[in-house]
Amino acid sequence: QKEVEQDPGPLSVPEGAIVSLNCTYSNSAFQYFMWYRQYSRKGPELLMYTYSSGNKEDGRFTAQVDKSSKYISLFIRDSQPSDSATYLCAMSEATDSWGKLQFGAGTQVVVTP
Amino acid sequence: GAVVSQHPSRVICKSGTSVKIECRSLDFQATTMFWYRQFPKQSLMLMATSNEGSKATYEQGVEKDKFLINHASLTLSTLTVTSAHPEDSSFYICSASDFSYEQYFGPGTRLTVT
Repeated sequence: QKEVEQDPGPLSVPEGAIVSLNCTYSNSAFQYFMWYRQYSRKGPELLMYTYSSGNKEDGRFTAQVDKSSKYISLFIRDSQPSDSATYLCAMSEATDSWGKLQFGAGTQVVVTP
Repeated sequence: GAVVSQHPSRVICKSGTSVKIECRSLDFQATTMFWYRQFPKQSLMLMATSNEGSKATYEQGVEKDKFLINHASLTLSTLTVTSAHPEDSSFYICSASDFSYEQYFGPGTRLTVT
């Protein structure tokens, strides 16, 4: 069993819709939870990170962490075609720095005009 | 700020040869650098972690004699794939971290071994 599970998609949504992404994990020691966006053949770009449980909002993006359920989510409101990319969740056990990151497989998102 | 570059962006080499990939932090000092490998439609898999001036720490299953990592300065780490074979063809991505929490990723290097 993988430590981090993420549906690879693809997830296709019309422009303006809400994109809902999620990951589940098995390691209760994870403390930091991140979401990265990766365009084809490019390196990952950090979107948001959360420490421990809770919600965090940044513009059109909202990240949620439920440690009791070992479940994290990312919501993208008012989706745009430029949001079409692969979204990776990542997690870290470290408490003083991110250190080693454990990634999910990534979900491919396609936003159609 | 926090820009990480990789060179080359793409390389094709013949089986049995060695290939060096550079990872540079352009505007910050990277105390730690990480090397990942990503196969098509798969996630990033950490290969090794290196701290400036120290030997790299390799993940289980990664051959340290095949994937040589050098982190000689606070802005440069290199990954050398020795005696490359077609199964080493992959997308190699580095990331760098300073004293903050975040890891900053490079754009990746696509290696094709023929």
